[in-house]
Amino acid sequence: EPEVTQTPSHQVTQMGQEVILRCVPISNHLYFYWYRQILGQKVEFLVSFYNNEISEKSEIFDDQFSVERPDGSNFTLKIRSTKLEDSAMYFCASSNSGQETQYFGPGTRLLVL
Amino acid sequence: EDQVTQSPEALRLQEGESSSLNCSYTVSGLRGLFWYRQDPGKGPEFLFTLYSAGEEKEKERLKATLTKKESFLHITAPKPEDSATYLCAVRGGFQKLVFGTGTRLLVSP
Repeated sequence: EPEVTQTPSHQVTQMGQEVILRCVPISNHLYFYWYRQILGQKVEFLVSFYNNEISEKSEIFDDQFSVERPDGSNFTLKIRSTKLEDSAMYFCASSNSGQETQYFGPGTRLLVL
Repeated sequence: EDQVTQSPEALRLQEGESSSLNCSYTVSGLRGLFWYRQDPGKGPEFLFTLYSAGEEKEKERLKATLTKKESFLHITAPKPEDSATYLCAVRGGFQKLVFGTGTRLLVSP
């Protein structure tokens, strides 16, 4: 069964450093998403991406964040200068269309020290 | 603003003891209500999508129902392996999912 994969599973970084989180969406899906979940809190939407453009973003997704589809299979989230409050689990998701079910990856646990 | 409230926050059941989880929502034009299961340290695992009031979906011991204001996830004769956090999410406009805080279910043998 096709699934969303994410790397790395865990990442520890120093405050102010740049991190890139990677995702391989389900192969025939066209819409890609990033969500995050701070420990003990709800899953929060960050951004959606379609046709090489951001189609929707939340207030959390400020200038420190960027997304890219560098090739035909990968989808990345970059945080330019990490802050302590960026520590969270980051989930990638994909869907076949903007109205269909979003399937989530296993997540990357980011710890900013 | 779209909102989702789930209750109870936590639920402890004995194996075989059926119960229901509630998801109340406020959304301007529902374009889908989603149930996911989340195990500790893992990503949300898709269970059901419901689009219109009166719709029902079933999978093994789980059954999801939808009204204009809320959704229920009914668990019949649960087993210990059903222990997890169950998340409800809604989609109003565009693609963004708005999640509730979840119900932590523990099923004891």
